[in-house]
Amino acid sequence: NAGVTQTPKFQVLKTGQSMTLQCAQDMNHNSMYWYRQDPGMGLRLIYYSASEGTTDKGEVPNGYNVSRLNKREFSLRLESAAPSQTSVYFCATVTGFGDPYFGQGTRLTVV
Amino acid sequence: AQKITQTQPGMFVQEKEAVTLDCTYDTSDPSYGLFWYKQPSSGEMIFLIYQGSYDQQNATEGRYSLNFQKARKSANLVISASQLGDSAMYFCAMREGGISNFGNEKLTFGTGTRLTIIP
Repeated sequence: NAGVTQTPKFQVLKTGQSMTLQCAQDMNHNSMYWYRQDPGMGLRLIYYSASEGTTDKGEVPNGYNVSRLNKREFSLRLESAAPSQTSVYFCATVTGFGDPYFGQGTRLTVV
Repeated sequence: AQKITQTQPGMFVQEKEAVTLDCTYDTSDPSYGLFWYKQPSSGEMIFLIYQGSYDQQNATEGRYSLNFQKARKSANLVISASQLGDSAMYFCAMREGGISNFGNEKLTFGTGTRLTIIP
């Protein structure tokens, strides 16, 4: 089925550990986005990629890195996790008509 | 200044009644899009309805309609004949600028309204 797939769905990390959140879309869209969702704050943009090979910072990029590996995949890396990065992470892509599609989300807890 | 403001943190509505969720926005860009999403307890983001800044008519999708008042910069979501399954968080979001499919479709979200439908 077409869509946006995120892995893993749940993760618990210790402070200082690293991990990569994976996102893949099979919709052949150019743009991909990473958001984080915190209670009472809605979703905030971390990084985005307008096309393969390009990435740009969003509203809250500190502590994260991204890689647009190819048109399908856009990964988010936490090099040294901190408790402040406990959140739900959403990957999204956007059609040529501007309609966003979200993945199912990754619930990350940093202890 | 907040770009998207949702002033109702929570709402309780009797089943079968209509409900209006408020959203105001702030932009100087003449071209923008407004979205509403539903987030049930399972966590996924479900797209409900879209309104473009140049659309002449208010958007409708089944029981959902968007009361778009451009001069007041408001884009309220109206749910008619509410159902128990409508209980969820609802987010208003805005995309500024036209559609290019080259990265400017990033969304700014409000803080959400938690809607609870009472049987």
